[in-house]
Amino acid sequence: KQEVTQIPAALSVPEGENLVLNCSFTDSAIYNLQWFRQDPGKGLTSLLLIQSSQREQTSGRLNASLDKSSGRSTLYIAASQPGDSATYLCAVRPYSGGYQKVTFGTGTKLQVIP
Amino acid sequence: GAGVSQSPSNKVTEKGKDVELRCDPISGHTALYWYRQSLGQGLEFLIYFQGNSAPDKSGLPSDRFSAERTGGSVSTLTIQRTQQEDSAVYLCASSLDPSGGAETQYFGPGTRLLVL
Repeated sequence: KQEVTQIPAALSVPEGENLVLNCSFTDSAIYNLQWFRQDPGKGLTSLLLIQSSQREQTSGRLNASLDKSSGRSTLYIAASQPGDSATYLCAVRPYSGGYQKVTFGTGTKLQVIP
Repeated sequence: GAGVSQSPSNKVTEKGKDVELRCDPISGHTALYWYRQSLGQGLEFLIYFQGNSAPDKSGLPSDRFSAERTGGSVSTLTIQRTQQEDSAVYLCASSLDPSGGAETQYFGPGTRLLVL
């Protein structure tokens, strides 16, 4: 059974810092990995999706990397802003099975202090 | 365009009552998913609808939970005889075509259910 772990559970940084969020998974037979952010009282918003054949994806100040063999993904946020404060979730879709088989991590709650 | 919407946004009910949660997916999205997010837990898959196919109910925690999707669009998740452990945020998501690896899910804001 796939297990997805996100460490740390919470992180507080001053505005402007670069930071890295970690996601690890136990089964490397994945189809893709997706990073989401969740704001309080809101649903999940997709940030980046990395296919299993890819090493990284970039969007603006965000960069997500994937190392399938070691079961790790990182989300790098450059020049953090207070608006980045949210919970960040990673989700792993297995090689066999659709989105109903996706396993979500419990998230990292990020606070960016002005 | 409009995203995924869910209603109600909050629901407080008494133990033993039935509740209905509604999800309106993005127009044209054939796939619809229900998840449960309990405090401190990851998202837990409940049920999945794809087009006219039989739904995948493998995630439903008990027979008190059921869901339907009418006309391939709106979905209702029903919890009968609610228990306190049913208290959670219930999230709905839709996607255009899940067979494509690059397809992403779009989530609604969720319904916060509190069972007293």
